[in-house]
Amino acid sequence: DAGVIQSPRHEVTEMGQEVTLRCKPISGHNSLFWYRQTMMRGLELLIYFNNNVPIDDSGMPEDRFSAKMPNASFSTLKIQPSEPRDSAVYFCASSFSGRGVRTGELFFGEGSRLTVL
Amino acid sequence: GENVEQHPSTLSVQEGDSAVIKCTYSDSASNYFPWYKQELGKRPQLIIDIRSNVGEKKDQRIAVTLNKTAKHFSLHITETQPEDSAVYFCAASRPFGGYNKLIFGAGTRLAVHP
Repeated sequence: DAGVIQSPRHEVTEMGQEVTLRCKPISGHNSLFWYRQTMMRGLELLIYFNNNVPIDDSGMPEDRFSAKMPNASFSTLKIQPSEPRDSAVYFCASSFSGRGVRTGELFFGEGSRLTVL
Repeated sequence: GENVEQHPSTLSVQEGDSAVIKCTYSDSASNYFPWYKQELGKRPQLIIDIRSNVGEKKDQRIAVTLNKTAKHFSLHITETQPEDSAVYFCAASRPFGGYNKLIFGAGTRLAVHP
């Protein structure tokens, strides 16, 4: 397996533009996580899907952020409109876990570095 | 909710010395404690983990200890090498509505000097 695949790796955009980040989890994994990493706040969990269903989105900063997982092999994180304070590295991660299942290793993608000017 | 505190935020050691990073967690229901290493510009990767039914686990030069009563766990790296230089994150996983939610500490930047 190629691991968790994220795109784009780098994105530079202007304030107010829509940003869409994409993630393909490892085949067979049933849990998908979006994290945001900044120097000030470290690794923050934004949202967690299990079997394509959002389980916990309490970390999503505000209504400008939305995430979807239409099927087991694809997820998107959208920011609309983007702001300079959204500049960060966004990581997608996947694992095999869930109800009655021991927590499994989290595998991270290489991240999408977002810069909002 | 769960809160994970990690100390120190930076750590500088000489090659060959030992390094210790400590974490505390707040939720006594947390039952899984992984450690991730993130090299500069790379993704975090799991290096060792421990579950709540075990007090200590070792893998070559790295070891993790867990004190459930005090709600703290530590990473120990012996005979440090320059390639150990990275940011290390601890995490705690707590049950959440039947699932498990992984919360990370703020990270420790370890520098190993030759």
